[in-house]
Amino acid sequence: EAGVAQSPRYKIIEKRQSVAFWCNPISGHATLYWYQQILGQGPKLLIQFQNNGVVDDSQLPKDRFSAERLKGVDSTLKIQPAKLEDSAVYLCASVVQNEQFFGPGTRLTVL
Amino acid sequence: DQQVKQNSPSLSVQEGRISILNCDYTNSMFDYFLWYKKYPAEGPTFLISISSIKDKNEDGRFTVFLNKSAKHLSLHIVPSQPGDSAVYFCAASPYSGAGSYQLTFGKGTKLSVIP
Repeated sequence: EAGVAQSPRYKIIEKRQSVAFWCNPISGHATLYWYQQILGQGPKLLIQFQNNGVVDDSQLPKDRFSAERLKGVDSTLKIQPAKLEDSAVYLCASVVQNEQFFGPGTRLTVL
Repeated sequence: DQQVKQNSPSLSVQEGRISILNCDYTNSMFDYFLWYKKYPAEGPTFLISISSIKDKNEDGRFTVFLNKSAKHLSLHIVPSQPGDSAVYFCAASPYSGAGSYQLTFGKGTKLSVIP
């Protein structure tokens, strides 16, 4: 069974630029999460999808972050405009039977 | 406000000995606890979990102990192997049934197993 795919793996941008991350969850997994992991911290939940609907986006900084999951499969997370403090690894996870499967993450560096 | 705390940023253990990683939580609503292992440049991978109705869960070399009254859990690895060297995250959720749930993670403990 293929795992959770994420791209790009690395991205370097300057502050105030825009960036987008893509996630392809494990086939058939209805629930999808995006996490932000800042260096030295644990992953922090940003948004939860169930199929193509948002279940919880209370921790998503909506002034600059947006996410969508069209057709209930792939998902994209966008930051516009980026700030220095957005430098982190962005992890996508999909869920089956109480277990969250994580992708390898996208490491974002904002200069 | 850190609801899940891993107070040891790092731990070094000799190969073959026991590794004990500790985790404390403050939210009484948490009733499902998990440990994840993370290698560099990879996403976290699930290791073992425990529901609040149990005080121990064992899977091969890995055992998780839960002390609800103390709001404390620990992960024991016996015997430790060099391949166990990784960052270990403790995570907790207020929901232990099948389906979606939200995890709160600790900051992680970096385990180094010395050959």
